[in-house]
Amino acid sequence: GAVVSQHPSWVICKSGTSVKIECRSLDFQATTMFWYRQFPKQSLMLMATSNEGSKATYEQGVEKDKFLINHASLTLSTLTVTSAHPEDSSFYICSAVGDRGGDTEAFFGQGTRLTVV
Amino acid sequence: QKEVEQNSGPLSVPEGAIASLNCTYSDRGSQSFFWYRQYSGKSPELIMFIYSNGDKEDGRFTAQLNKASQYVSLLIRDSQPSDSATYLCAVKSTGGFKTIFGAGTRLFVKA
Repeated sequence: GAVVSQHPSWVICKSGTSVKIECRSLDFQATTMFWYRQFPKQSLMLMATSNEGSKATYEQGVEKDKFLINHASLTLSTLTVTSAHPEDSSFYICSAVGDRGGDTEAFFGQGTRLTVV
Repeated sequence: QKEVEQNSGPLSVPEGAIASLNCTYSDRGSQSFFWYRQYSGKSPELIMFIYSNGDKEDGRFTAQLNKASQYVSLLIRDSQPSDSATYLCAVKSTGGFKTIFGAGTRLFVKA
C-alpha cells in the first residue's frame, strides 16, 4: 500500500508550549488528509479534514485556534497543538486519501503519542 | 444512535477457531466499508474493504456486507494469537471523503 509518514512518533512537552506534528505522503499526492485523536482504549475520533490549499474543516467540539492545521502541499499536512495542556495528551494519527487507491481507501501514518507534562 | 456501532468485546476465541466480528451503521447511503486492525499503541492497518453486498474473501479473512440490514461483518478463520488486536469497522459517508470509525472490538485468541 501507499506510505504515509508521520513525525515525530512520540513527543513530550511542557504545559503551555506548542507542538507540531507532520504528516507526509511519500509516494502519492494526498488531496485530502484527516487528523484523528485517540485516547486510551477509545476509538479514533476525527478532529478535522484538510484539503490541499484550503482551510481545514473541523469537527464539532474541536477548537480550530488550538489545533492549527496546514495543508500547504499535496504531500504535507501539519497539525500544531498550541498552548498544550495535560488533557491534550493523546495519540494523534493522520490519514491521507489521494491518487493511490482511488478516492476511497485512506492510508494511515504511524501516529504520534503526545504527552504534556 | 452512533453512526457506526460495534460490540466492544473483548471477544475471546481459542486458536484455530473462527472469530466473528460484527458492525452496524446508520447511514443507509454509505457505499464503502472497511475493516482495520489496530495493535496497542500502533496506528490502524487496513485488512479489507468491501463495496458490494455479499462476501469478499482474502486469505483467512472474509468480509460480509448486507446493505439492506446495514450490517457488515468480518470473519477470521483459523485464528492465531497474532490476530489478537482491536478491530475497527469504518464506513465512508455518503458523498464525501469522511470515514467514520466504530469504537472497535477487542479480540483475544488464546493459544
